[in-house]
Amino acid sequence: DAGITQSPRHKVTETGTPVTLRCHQTENHRYMYWYRQDPGHGLRLIHYSYGVKDTDKGEVSDGYSVSRSKTEDFLLTLESATSSQTSVYFCAISYRQGDSGNTIYFGEGSWLTVV
Amino acid sequence: GDSVTQMEGPVTLSEEAFLTINCTYTATGYPSLFWYVQYPGEGLQLLLKATKADDKGSNKGFEATYRKETTSFHLEKGSVQVSDSAVYFCALSQGGSEKLVFGKGTKLTVNP
Repeated sequence: DAGITQSPRHKVTETGTPVTLRCHQTENHRYMYWYRQDPGHGLRLIHYSYGVKDTDKGEVSDGYSVSRSKTEDFLLTLESATSSQTSVYFCAISYRQGDSGNTIYFGEGSWLTVV
Repeated sequence: GDSVTQMEGPVTLSEEAFLTINCTYTATGYPSLFWYVQYPGEGLQLLLKATKADDKGSNKGFEATYRKETTSFHLEKGSVQVSDSAVYFCALSQGGSEKLVFGKGTKLTVNP
């Protein structure tokens, strides 16, 4: 258990409304990530963070912004939701275990439907 | 850029059959390689990993060997069970940010 909590777990929203997804971790990990999962695409990186106030874009960042004002929380915001952003969103953290290098662990996902 | 290609599914097997899911990658440098599994309605769970050439990752009867010469990391299991039905993702990461690059996933269904 990597101590990752995502909220909300399920949300239905209307086109054009802002939406914020929250990822909370309890173990002080430096790296956090937001991925989206869509059929036929696997998982694609949206944004990631390598520390408080330090973030960078991933493969599919258009239409999304992120913030990390404290180590434990990484927020993903859809400023004006569109139907193409209907997806399952996964938060992840990078965790080093002994000499085996870093491994990325995922939260349970947030199902977002934009109608 | 880096990429991962895995065999397209779906794959349907009978219980106790042998499983292979092919995965090849393109990357500069020497990535770490992973297999993740996703059961219906759940998040991704790490199944196994390998961090350097010729390493073998193993877990729950699944195995995969990091083959640098063929840039492959094929997943195998000698005898699958109904409970192995899931979607399997091959992935790589490298660099300081440890970002994962995923294949598109392979859905496995095991029938009794």
